[in-house]
Amino acid sequence: SQQGEEDPQALSIQEGENATMNCSYKTSINNLQWYRQNSGRGLVHLILIRSNEREKHSGRLRVTLDTSKKSSSLLITASRAADTASYFCATFSNAGGTSYGKLTFGQGTILTVHP
Amino acid sequence: DTAVSQTPKYLVTQMGNDKSIKCEQNLGHDTMYWYKQDSKKFLKIMFSYNNKELIINETVPNRFSPKSPDKAHLNLHINSLELGDSAVYFCASSQDRKHEQYFGPGTRLTVT
Repeated sequence: SQQGEEDPQALSIQEGENATMNCSYKTSINNLQWYRQNSGRGLVHLILIRSNEREKHSGRLRVTLDTSKKSSSLLITASRAADTASYFCATFSNAGGTSYGKLTFGQGTILTVHP
Repeated sequence: DTAVSQTPKYLVTQMGNDKSIKCEQNLGHDTMYWYKQDSKKFLKIMFSYNNKELIINETVPNRFSPKSPDKAHLNLHINSLELGDSAVYFCASSQDRKHEQYFGPGTRLTVT
């Protein structure tokens, strides 16, 4: 199965509400990253949290990391219609026989924010 | 002032043909990548180059051949295209393998 799995697969909320997305993974990691993908576009990096960090903020984004549970969450506060996109977590790890390390993506959460 | 660019944006071709996708980054990054995103949005790494050296080569058919003429360019050539190759292909770059990656706009490949 995949390294990163997001939950829920789809989330529909009203503007102004908070959106929380979760990500679970299986192997030890060096860092975990969140990306956003608007429909028909490339991925855009949002935030990176290292394995020795527990929480990180960037504007309306808050990311937490629990390495004991191998999980992370992304919180978007006061959501806007422009936040409508797919959100992916990605883990950077040397596990799995890749000595150089690679970024492994989950399948994403589709967030829809209704105006 | 585009950071990572890819050409073409759309590619429609028939089975058996050979095609190439080009990627260029002007960020001065050392590492470049090719990813494949399938119809379910699952993004999987295919190749990674660091300073023109191939460092990641996932289980990809040898019909796919990456080429990096210099640090700023990473092209993808695909021989004998198959229906299953239809997907969106993304190029990306990063300063270091552990750091955030910058993605191109993608190339939507449709094989008929």
